Amino acid sequence: LLTQPPSVSGAPGQRVTISCAGTSSNIGANYAVHWYQHLPGAPPKLLIYANFNRPSGVPDRFSGSRSGSAASLTITGLQPDDEADYYCQSYDRSLLGEVFGTGTTVTVL
Amino acid sequence: QVQLVQSGAEVKRPGSSIKISCQTSGVTFTTSTLNWVRQVPGQGLEWMGRLLPVVSLHNYAPSFQGRLTITADTSTDTAYMELRSLTSGDTAVYYCAREGAEVSEALHVWGQGTLITVSS
Repeated sequence: LLTQPPSVSGAPGQRVTISCAGTSSNIGANYAVHWYQHLPGAPPKLLIYANFNRPSGVPDRFSGSRSGSAASLTITGLQPDDEADYYCQSYDRSLLGEVFGTGTTVTVL
Repeated sequence: QVQLVQSGAEVKRPGSSIKISCQTSGVTFTTSTLNWVRQVPGQGLEWMGRLLPVVSLHNYAPSFQGRLTITADTSTDTAYMELRSLTSGDTAVYYCAREGAEVSEALHVWGQGTLITVSS
């Protein structure tokens, strides 16, 4: 229900953007979008909450936005440690529960 | 500091059930909405369901309706996730995660994950 590109890549220092396409039942219904970073062998880490807010400790290189039924996560000044899987998440009123995006693997070239 | 500690890895037979625990500390358990999320190898994160212990309010993802039960023991501040009628497709890492009011109910604190392998 939340569609993300399978992969994005960029050189160190560059900017990458990950899209999250939803529907009128989730993002389009104005439910908050959250973003997580998931490294192998570790639990997911909250990166962005409620569309564009960063929890304490998350660098300002990570930013979020939303428009209509879509949201996006932008990483500026890409670093090797940013190599991970990234997921968006929102509430879906037709499913009456949370949904995750399909996930995007970020590769630092 | 809020912490979630899950039970250890298990190997289960097809058709059996699994019950994973998630003990919380550093936070008021009864007012904590606890979610369960899994990741099947090679796939993405999948939301399974959640429970708010103070009112025993829970909801489950449609794909797990009928074979998933999330419960809580308020005397030990522990949540449980029971999944029945296991198949090889349920082989996954299972996580518990707490919603945080301070982050608009996003999943702020996560357990370490529990690997469940379903194999004959």
